[in-house]
Amino acid sequence: QKEVEQDPGPLSVPEGAIVSLNCTYSNSAFQYFMWYRQYSRKGPELLMYTYSSGNKEDGRFTAQVDKSSKYISLFIRDSQPSDSATYLCAMRDDNYGQNFVFGPGTRLSVLP
Amino acid sequence: DSGVTQTPKHLITATGQRVTLRCSPRSGDLSVYWYQQSLDQGLQFLIQYYNGEERAKGNILERFSAQQFPDLHSELNLSSLELGDSALYFCASSGQGAGNTIYFGEGSWLTVV
Repeated sequence: QKEVEQDPGPLSVPEGAIVSLNCTYSNSAFQYFMWYRQYSRKGPELLMYTYSSGNKEDGRFTAQVDKSSKYISLFIRDSQPSDSATYLCAMRDDNYGQNFVFGPGTRLSVLP
Repeated sequence: DSGVTQTPKHLITATGQRVTLRCSPRSGDLSVYWYQQSLDQGLQFLIQYYNGEERAKGNILERFSAQQFPDLHSELNLSSLELGDSALYFCASSGQGAGNTIYFGEGSWLTVV
């Protein structure tokens, strides 16, 4: 079992749809959770950063962490064609080793 | 702009050759990470340096090596290049606090012909 798993997609949705992107993980030591957006052949860009369980909202984006289920989600409301990208979840544990573990990414296409 | 700078952005080289990729981390960040991303593949962690010392090693080939210099910039050396080494190579950096996250550069796109 991989340490972090993510639906590979690709996922295609119509413009305006609500998108749900998900990751599961196996290491209960993970405390910090991140979502990155990566456009084709560009560097991953940090979207959301959360600590421990709970929700965090930023504009059209909501990150949700359920540590009891080892499950994190990113919701995109009112999706736009410009949201078309690969979304990577990432996580790390609560020490100074800075061991970041990335999911394989989900490719999203938002169709106009 | 993440603040992580990578050079060169693109390079094309022949099999068997050697190249050096350079990275300048964000101001104040002590950790530098190198990742490889082949076409339509996920990020493969290669190696991490912290304040000049190797901290963690991932799936880095013996033909590849890296170092971090006293001014904190880092270089990734790729030698005896093969066609399969063609990929995007990303550098990332992070601060040293418990709550710090990782920021990526725009990558160096290597094509081996």
